Amino acid sequence: RKEVEQDPGPFNVPEGATVAFNCTYSNSASQSFFWYRQDCRKEPKLLMSVYSSGNEDGRFTAQLNRASQYISLLIRDSKLSDSATYLCVVNRGRNTDKLIFGTGTRLQVFP
Amino acid sequence: EAGVAQSPRYKIIEKRQSVAFWCNPISGHATLYWYQQILGQGPKLLIQFQNNGVVDDSQLPKDRFSAERLKGVDSTLKIQPAKLEDSAVYLCASSFLAGGHISETQYFGPGTRLLVL
Repeated sequence: RKEVEQDPGPFNVPEGATVAFNCTYSNSASQSFFWYRQDCRKEPKLLMSVYSSGNEDGRFTAQLNRASQYISLLIRDSKLSDSATYLCVVNRGRNTDKLIFGTGTRLQVFP
Repeated sequence: EAGVAQSPRYKIIEKRQSVAFWCNPISGHATLYWYQQILGQGPKLLIQFQNNGVVDDSQLPKDRFSAERLKGVDSTLKIQPAKLEDSAVYLCASSFLAGGHISETQYFGPGTRLLVL
């Protein structure tokens, strides 16, 4: 089993749609969770951290379910500029800064 | 604030040749990472430095890959000799120490795209 698993997509959605991505991780000792965004032929950039209580940043909402070892990202009112690959990222275990990246989920928003 | 700088941006070599990549992290960032990202996959950590010391090189193929950060600032990653499967984007990232703890937010450079023919 991969340490971090994501559906690679692509998810093709119209502008204004709501889309959700899911991610599962295998190491129950992981403590830190993130979503990174990677545009085509660009470097990954931190989109948001994921907290146990869930967190929201504008149109983006991240949720964490530790019992199921599951992370989600919800994007509301999709914009063309949201088209990118979304990487689910988990730290390798307890008290470590080493990150494990999923393969990413590709999102394409069309007019 | 200047970001993580990498060079070259692109490199094409033949198998069995050598290649070197350079990274300059964000000023003041003590921790530096080299990742390999193969097409369609997420970045995979190759080596991590804190200042000029290696923290983790467990996933670095040491028979052909080497890296150094002699003065605790710039870093170079070398492949010698290159194989076809080394074709990938090599990403450098850095993070800062806060209160003795490494920040989990990593800032990535634009990467070096390597094609081995």
